[in-house]
Amino acid sequence: DVKVTQSSRYLVKRTGEKVFLECVQDMDHENMFWYRQDPGLGLRLIYFSYDVKMKEKGDIPEGYSVSREKKERFSLILESASTNQTSMYLCASRNRGQLFFGSGTQLSVL
Amino acid sequence: QKEVEQNSGPLSVPEGAIASLNCTYSDRGSQSFFWYRQYSGKSPELIMSIYSNGDKEDGRFTAQLNKASQYVSLLIRDSQPSDSATYLCAVSQEGGSNYKLTFGKGTLLTVNP
Repeated sequence: DVKVTQSSRYLVKRTGEKVFLECVQDMDHENMFWYRQDPGLGLRLIYFSYDVKMKEKGDIPEGYSVSREKKERFSLILESASTNQTSMYLCASRNRGQLFFGSGTQLSVL
Repeated sequence: QKEVEQNSGPLSVPEGAIASLNCTYSDRGSQSFFWYRQYSGKSPELIMSIYSNGDKEDGRFTAQLNKASQYVSLLIRDSQPSDSATYLCAVSQEGGSNYKLTFGKGTLLTVNP
């Protein structure tokens, strides 16, 4: 079975902190994605990566950056966390058309 | 902005009935279409994919695609309470390595015993 692991299930941070969300997949997939999910807004793509060190902006990249130094790991970085970044963050990797999601990180920024 | 629209619901059906979920998309270049199911507090999981016009059946699930109308639907026959979840329609615009999947906001389905 494909496994996508997100480092934290729940995270509480202060406004202005730098936040790292880590994601690791074990299936050698080239494509990886970061989404955020908010009530009433659905899943929105933040960034995706189609290869090591390659990244593309999604629909809502502002306030975020990403890092893909190794194929299996895709990190989402909040440079200076703000309260409007409180959300559920979902990482996914792709095999053909199918996305495999991690269990999500519920981030609260106070 | 490429859009994927779904009825937000909630959609409520009795056990054993057919649940019909609908989705429209704006980008005529879209090539691949997916239905994901998301239980409360869980991550989305793929239940159906469809790539060409017509129907595709998998057990109690049937996906229907009409590219001319830019419409994709999911039918769930003999609905069960365990089908109660949010159903997400997703559409991809594939082009080489630049793969992007756009999701609708989801339709909440409740199946009443």
